[in-house]
Amino acid sequence: EVQLVQSGAEVKKPGESLRISCKGSGYSFTSYWISWVRQMPGKGLEWMGRIDPSDSYTNYSPSFQGHVTISADKSISTAYLQWSSLKASDTAMYYCARRDYYDSSGKGGDYFDYWGQGTLVTVPS
Amino acid sequence: SSELTQDPAVSVALGQTVRITCQGDSLRSYYASWYQQKPGQAPVLVIYGKNNRPSGIPDRFSGSSSGNTASLTITGSQAEDEADYYCKSRDSSGNLVFGTGTKVTVL
Repeated sequence: EVQLVQSGAEVKKPGESLRISCKGSGYSFTSYWISWVRQMPGKGLEWMGRIDPSDSYTNYSPSFQGHVTISADKSISTAYLQWSSLKASDTAMYYCARRDYYDSSGKGGDYFDYWGQGTLVTVPS
Repeated sequence: SSELTQDPAVSVALGQTVRITCQGDSLRSYYASWYQQKPGQAPVLVIYGKNNRPSGIPDRFSGSSSGNTASLTITGSQAEDEADYYCKSRDSSGNLVFGTGTKVTVL
């Protein structure tokens, strides 16, 4: 059974650093990219960036470039999302998701077939 | 701001059909995928590719695409279909992007 299990909820102060994790199991961790998705309270889903665990290649949404770092340790099938200095505006639910790709007759599309349960990060102002 | 636009909210009578649309230029080149999210839960994939349902998703969910518009149709809506629905594809730079989301209310 494919599973993505995320680390628990965090309450941090502004300016503190944080790393949250997403552990994959039930599949070959290096065969699928992992993305991170933010959901601020009462708001929609925002794609933050992704990593290819096989070589740790990353790319980020322009909205998040420079604000967070995505990494992975393939030896323990775990991806990470980290902040060096949290702000109150980082308060949100964060999800990891496994990416697969569909291709048919020259037209394709990414999709997230498995999701973690989410990690709530709270940074009181 | 998202380059995929959805209607903020739609309502449907129990047992009736509802279509949710997602508009964006990238949809001419890439298929959208669709996600259902209920309050307090992680999103769930319901449609991907041309019109593919993951295992466990009821066949009342279907997808289609024409030009710059992708659609998710729920045929014979059930009370448990009440949720937020998001499309996802790519933006003009090739980055992944979610639609603005549609809240579906089943009356």
